[in-house]
Amino acid sequence: GIQVEQSPPDLILQEGANSTLRCNFSDSVNNLQWFHQNPWGQLINLFYIPSGTKQNGRLSATTVATERYSLLYISSSQTTDSGVYFCAVGHGGATNKLIFGTGTLLAVQP
Amino acid sequence: GAGVSQTPSNKVTEKGKYVELRCDPISGHTALYWYRQSLGQGPEFLIYFQGTGAADDSGLPNDRFFAVRPEGSVSTLKIQRTERGDSAVYLCASSLRTRNEQFFGPGTRLTVL
Repeated sequence: GIQVEQSPPDLILQEGANSTLRCNFSDSVNNLQWFHQNPWGQLINLFYIPSGTKQNGRLSATTVATERYSLLYISSSQTTDSGVYFCAVGHGGATNKLIFGTGTLLAVQP
Repeated sequence: GAGVSQTPSNKVTEKGKYVELRCDPISGHTALYWYRQSLGQGPEFLIYFQGTGAADDSGLPNDRFFAVRPEGSVSTLKIQRTERGDSAVYLCASSLRTRNEQFFGPGTRLTVL
């Protein structure tokens, strides 16, 4: 089956710093979503981005489907950005079930 | 509007018991998914409904797990003869159509003692 790998696995930032999270996938995808899982476990939708570039405030994302990767940029990080960031891809057929990556654990220190 | 809701938020049960977990999708969403998340891992797919029918149940771990969506809205995940290994957070997601963006509920944390 399709493999989804995220890097780095862990990241510690000082408040105000910028960061880039990467998601690599091993096959073509129908869908790609980025999520932030907060400390209470809620998965918060960040981007629905099967291809192209989107921006939302301090966050932006780029997916290059032909090269099978996606990047999530966080600028001017805040302590509330802490948590786990997941990339998830929808692959094959009519189901569009999401295959989640391994996640990046982000800690933003004041 | 209201997001995906799940009840209960927490469920503690004893090994061998039967449990039901409920999911209310976003109104008008025809696609509904169940996932399971174990500690330290990403969610894993269990089952997908398009309308009332289970179109893909390939992620269900064994025949103790079953899910229904009789009226094409609310879904119930049923687990028979629970085992300690079933302990996890069970997540429900819905999307307007099958290939659209999925939105997740807060999850039900199941603990089997």
